[in-house]
Amino acid sequence: GAVVSQHPSWVICKSGTSVKIECRSLDFQATTMFWYRQFPKQSLMLMATSNEGSKATYEQGVEKDKFLINHASLTLSTLTVTSAHPEDSSFYICSASLTVGQGTDTQYFGPGTRLTVL
Amino acid sequence: AQKVTQAQTEISVVEKEDVTLDCVYETRDTTYYLFWYKQPPSGELVFLIRRNSFDEQNEISGRYSWNFQKSTSSFNFTITASQVVDSAVYFCALSANDYKLSFGAGTTVTVRA
Repeated sequence: GAVVSQHPSWVICKSGTSVKIECRSLDFQATTMFWYRQFPKQSLMLMATSNEGSKATYEQGVEKDKFLINHASLTLSTLTVTSAHPEDSSFYICSASLTVGQGTDTQYFGPGTRLTVL
Repeated sequence: AQKVTQAQTEISVVEKEDVTLDCVYETRDTTYYLFWYKQPPSGELVFLIRRNSFDEQNEISGRYSWNFQKSTSSFNFTITASQVVDSAVYFCALSANDYKLSFGAGTTVTVRA
């Protein structure tokens, strides 16, 4: 159980275009999903927290107009990188919380999406 | 604010050797949760363990074991009899009341045949 998928696994796009990344919890309902960014040989950096049916909460320094997040259902969250530029090239990872009933939730991660902007 | 420190950047061992990954954390919260994740070359983070701040019992799962010591704010991870498939980046993480995960920098483990 607790499987999270991401689509696409990799994408190459031209500068100025928009790219949408989907994150799905396959076998559980995720009240909260998280979006991370990871640069080569670095740790994960939290970009935003996404709650179903409400606006995402962005971390300091993350442009909400550039990284649009939609959490339309308990199993799907999307991240859209708008007007992508080469500096947006990165590994984007989502995670979903599996409610365990007590305390904080364990986050289960998707396989990641590698974005390359030319 | 929470902080997780993984002082070891890279560890290289020969197969069948034991390897211990250090993790030291800082938090002002009395209730918090500690995690270890494995990130193989494929990139997907694999959940290994979660431990809450009130449970200091050590845990063993197959070749993996974890040592949680609140007195030293450490949550170390040991792989016994390492195998090539254990080669990965291992992240220690902490979350408290805001449910966000604070990750350490990660430790790259390379197991040579």
